[in-house]
Amino acid sequence: QVQLKESGPGLVQPSQTLSLTCTVSGFSLTSYNVHWVRQPPGKGLEWMGRMRYNGDTSYNSALKSRLSISRDTSKNQVFLKMNSLQTDDTGTYYCTSTEGILNWFAYWGQGTLVTVSS
Amino acid sequence: DIVMTQSPSSLAVSAGETVTINCKSSQSLLYSGNQKNYLAWYQQKPGQSPKLLIYWASTRQSGVPDRFIGSGSGTDFTLTISSVQAEDLAIYYCQQYYDTWTFGGGTKLELK
Repeated sequence: QVQLKESGPGLVQPSQTLSLTCTVSGFSLTSYNVHWVRQPPGKGLEWMGRMRYNGDTSYNSALKSRLSISRDTSKNQVFLKMNSLQTDDTGTYYCTSTEGILNWFAYWGQGTLVTVSS
Repeated sequence: DIVMTQSPSSLAVSAGETVTINCKSSQSLLYSGNQKNYLAWYQQKPGQSPKLLIYWASTRQSGVPDRFIGSGSGTDFTLTISSVQAEDLAIYYCQQYYDTWTFGGGTKLELK
């Protein structure tokens, strides 16, 4: 069955770079789109960016200057890198995928909590 | 960017009641090429990841109980939960996928 799992550091210092990995199983990254969504504590969901099945990427305009999404299809992994982190980047980061190349988020990882603090 | 506005932000209900959650988009989500509305609804229970309930504004995801009903078109959408059960207490989000992706601010369903 489809599974996604996020991994990365739980604590990042201000001004540093966040690196997260989403490891997927049950589907191929060349067939499904994978997105990153984040959620500050007690707040709503924010779409961050997408890795399309064909390798194209798109980003939230508010984050575009700081954000990069890449992948390694041989390892079934999608990567998120975001620089210049501040305290308001604290939150739970989810990777999520569509069914095929559709546009709603059918599958979600468990999320990983990232705290930005010195 | 398309802005999604949900109302109310919270709602207190008793088991068995019918509830309505509203979602309004800043521009139409109806694509003339296929007459489909590019809107989804998600449910997020405490401590859990969001779960897809509805897509194309009114199509239930496989396994979602039929008491969850999505309706609306253009810029105004509604999620109706008939005969609310205790397990439905959660935060509900609408999301547009017409132009990139944005979520509404959420509606928290609580017990009265």
